Amino acid sequence: KNQVEQSPQSLIILEGKNCTLQCNYTVSPFSNLRWYKQDTGRGPVSLTIMTFSENTKSNGRYTATLDADTKQSSLHITASQLSDSASYICVVGMIAGNNRKLIWGLGTSLAVNP
Amino acid sequence: KAGVTQTPRYLIKTRGQQVTLSCSPISGHRSVSWYQQTPGQGLQFLFEYFSETQRNKGNFPGRFSGRQFSNSRSEMNVSTLELGDSALYLCASSWGSGNAGELFFGEGSRLTVL
Repeated sequence: KNQVEQSPQSLIILEGKNCTLQCNYTVSPFSNLRWYKQDTGRGPVSLTIMTFSENTKSNGRYTATLDADTKQSSLHITASQLSDSASYICVVGMIAGNNRKLIWGLGTSLAVNP
Repeated sequence: KAGVTQTPRYLIKTRGQQVTLSCSPISGHRSVSWYQQTPGQGLQFLFEYFSETQRNKGNFPGRFSGRQFSNSRSEMNVSTLELGDSALYLCASSWGSGNAGELFFGEGSRLTVL
């Protein structure tokens, strides 16, 4: 079954600290892996999109890694800020012939406290 | 460049009524996807429209329908509302197929069914 599992479910850190969010997937055939940030009550915003050949991608203080062999990805946030408080969602795209689908994780809820 | 616009932002309906939500994509984008988001369920794919044609459909009952106009604007309709339809409905636009390209989300329409 095609699934995306994220851990931890929720996380609380202090402002200025680093953190790493995990994403494990069983999606096949793999097309791409995305990380989105969703502020409470707002639509998700894309952070990174990685294809099979990419194993790391950065967007400011956000760095995503991808290990296609172990089917794992991580999102590392450096020097966290209060504005990083949000839900972070891992999404894996699959393509099988003409069928393209996105498999969404449930997200990790991050709270950054002063 | 204007982002994805969803209207209305908030609405309250009673069971049995119907509702129509509207989405205006980013100029030049031809694909519009609709998602339902409820606590604990994550984003659930409803359907995708590309050049006025429904390209993909999720596992939702026939009460959920949509359409896309020649200017790429899209509407979704939910008939015979149930309490469980209370959710944040998100629209996302992309230049190509939403399952391959980057998705740009609107702020969502929050529907409450009483």
